[in-house]
Amino acid sequence: NAGVTQTPKFQVLKTGQSMTLQCAQDMNHNSMYWYRQDPGMGLRLIYYSASEGTTDKGEVPNGYNVSRLNKREFSLRLESAAPSQTSVYFCASSEGDLSSSGYTFGSGTRLTVV
Amino acid sequence: AQSVTQPDIHITVSEGASLELRCNYSYGATPYLFWYVQSPGQGLQLLLKYFSGDTLVQGIKGFEAEFKRSQSSFNLRKPSVHWSDAAEYFCAVGTGGFKTIFGAGTRLFVKA
Repeated sequence: NAGVTQTPKFQVLKTGQSMTLQCAQDMNHNSMYWYRQDPGMGLRLIYYSASEGTTDKGEVPNGYNVSRLNKREFSLRLESAAPSQTSVYFCASSEGDLSSSGYTFGSGTRLTVV
Repeated sequence: AQSVTQPDIHITVSEGASLELRCNYSYGATPYLFWYVQSPGQGLQLLLKYFSGDTLVQGIKGFEAEFKRSQSSFNLRKPSVHWSDAAEYFCAVGTGGFKTIFGAGTRLFVKA
C-alpha cells in the first residue's frame, strides 16, 4: 500500500547515544515533516522540509537534526539522546506545499531514552 | 497566539448513540481545519478537512464536521457510533505555510 514508512518501530537508547529515524514516502509528495507526540500535548512539529533540498525548524527543534536525502526520504537524527526525548515520533508528508492539504502519517517510532 | 482547544480529554458513548467532539480554535483569519483519528499504535489518519465554502463537510467513516465562524468552532459529529470508532481524535488548524497546530486530543470510548 502507498504511504509513509518509518523505521524502526521501537527503540530504547541510553542517555548520550545517537540514532537516526528513517522515513520514506512513495506518494511523490513535495513536503515532509517530523512530529513528536507526548501525552496531553498533541503533536508538535520538530522539523519540516518544504521541498527536496530544503529543511526548516519547527516548534521544538532543539536536540534534533534532519536530512532530506531525496524527494522520498526524510531522516531525523538525535545526536546525544536525553530522557526528555522519550516520545513517539511521527513522520508525515503532504501533497501541497501549504498546511492546507492535510497530512499522511507514518505509523510512528516509539523511542525510550533511559 | 494561535491555539486549538479540545475541551474533552475523554468521552464515553454507547454503541449506536450519536457523537459530538468539540474543537475551538484561536486564529485571526479563516483557518484550514482538520480532524484526524488515531487508533492505538497507529499514525494519524485524516478524517475530513475544511478550506472554504459549505460549512458542513463530510468525511470518511460516516463523520461530518461543521465550521461555525461566530463560535470559532469545528465540531465533529457522527449519527451512530460503532465500536470500531473507539480511538483518539485530534482537531488541527493549518495557518498557512507549513505549520499545523494540533489539539491535545479527545479519546473516545465506546461501550456495548
